Amino acid sequence: QKEVEQNSGPLSVPEGAIASLNCTYSDRGSQSFFWYRQYSGKSPELIMSIYSNGDKEDGRFTAQLNKASQYVSLLIRDSQPSDSATYLCAVNLPGGTSYGKLTFGQGTILTVHP
Amino acid sequence: DGGITQSPKYLFRKEGQNVTLSCEQNLNHDAMYWYRQDPGQGLRLIYYSQIVNDFQKGDIAEGYSVSREKKESFPLTVTSAQKNPTAFYLCASSIKTSGSYNSPLHFGNGTRLTVT
Repeated sequence: QKEVEQNSGPLSVPEGAIASLNCTYSDRGSQSFFWYRQYSGKSPELIMSIYSNGDKEDGRFTAQLNKASQYVSLLIRDSQPSDSATYLCAVNLPGGTSYGKLTFGQGTILTVHP
Repeated sequence: DGGITQSPKYLFRKEGQNVTLSCEQNLNHDAMYWYRQDPGQGLRLIYYSQIVNDFQKGDIAEGYSVSREKKESFPLTVTSAQKNPTAFYLCASSIKTSGSYNSPLHFGNGTRLTVT
């Protein structure tokens, strides 16, 4: 089993719809979770970080964390064509130090069509 | 403006040559990282450094070397021993985090290395 797993997609949604991206992780001790957006040929940019169970909202983005079920999701409301990108889930390894060493999923390709 | 600068953006080398990728940050971050990304894949950790003059191997360190002589700089050398060096290389940094929680990584713009 991969340490951090995402459905590679592509996920296609119409403009204005809700896009739902999911990520599961293998280690129950993980405490820090991040969602990054990566446009083709560019570097990843941070969208959301979440550390506690529940929902965290930031504009059109909502991150949801369920540590008991070991999954974290990202909802994008009112999806726009500019949201079309690869979304990377990153999770810390509890055996590492507090400085980082995040493990990334393979990414989910999202396409928002007009 | 604070940020992470990677250079060059594109790099072409012949097989058998060593090549060094530059990474400089002015964010005053303690930790720095090198990741590699292959087409259609996520990021894999090569090396990371938490403080000056100290660094640790990541998941795919074979064929790579690093140094951390200054807080701002973390260059990566791709040696001829790396079997498949063609990839997109990303440098990142993060602040010191207390407890068991990680702070997010901030990425540079990447260097695309092609070895023929």
